[in-house]
Amino acid sequence: EVQLVESGGGLAQPGGSLRLSCAASGFSFRSYAMHWVRQAPGKGLEWVSAISASGDRTYYADSVKGRFTISRDSSKNTLYLQMNSLGAEDTAVYYCAKDGYTYPLRNYFDSWGQGTQVTVSS
Amino acid sequence: DIQMTQSPSSLSASVGDRVTITCRASQSISSYLNWYQQKPGKAPKLLIYAASSFHTGVPSRFSGSGSGTDFTLTISSLQPEDFATYYCQQSYSTPFSFGQGTNLEIK
Repeated sequence: EVQLVESGGGLAQPGGSLRLSCAASGFSFRSYAMHWVRQAPGKGLEWVSAISASGDRTYYADSVKGRFTISRDSSKNTLYLQMNSLGAEDTAVYYCAKDGYTYPLRNYFDSWGQGTQVTVSS
Repeated sequence: DIQMTQSPSSLSASVGDRVTITCRASQSISSYLNWYQQKPGKAPKLLIYAASSFHTGVPSRFSGSGSGTDFTLTISSLQPEDFATYYCQQSYSTPFSFGQGTNLEIK
């Protein structure tokens, strides 16, 4: 059974940083692209970032480009999202999601974690 | 960027009803359209991918259709567990955009 468990969320100051982690199990982590998707309070879903299975390609939403960095460690079966220069607009539940294939284009998000809350406030 | 527009934004229906949700893309996305279901406080779940393919374990009362810019999700006979928010999502190109969601409520 695929399991994705996010951690690292919490309260951050405006301009501050957080690093989210997503521990994966139940599938061959190194074989699939991965994504981060967020949901602001009472709002819809917003795709944030994606990384290919090997980590050689990364993709970002314009709203986070230059501030967030996605990475993965296949030896630890873990996906990361380094978030810098945080603002109130980054307050959301952050989900990691598994892609259906190796490269994250023209596919789908077939498994999701339970999410981790990030709150940016002074 | 590709914009996804769902209609309606909210919908009231009864158990046993047939329901259709529409999703329109701002440009052609071929069949690269997925549908997700989300219940309050829970993560989304994949229902339909590539416009009309069932994800594992999804009941056959759910179906998807469409290509190009216009897509539909149909629930043939609503069950109590189907009351949730539904999102369409295009995977044709980055950024992978979602529709604003359709909140399906019990009448």
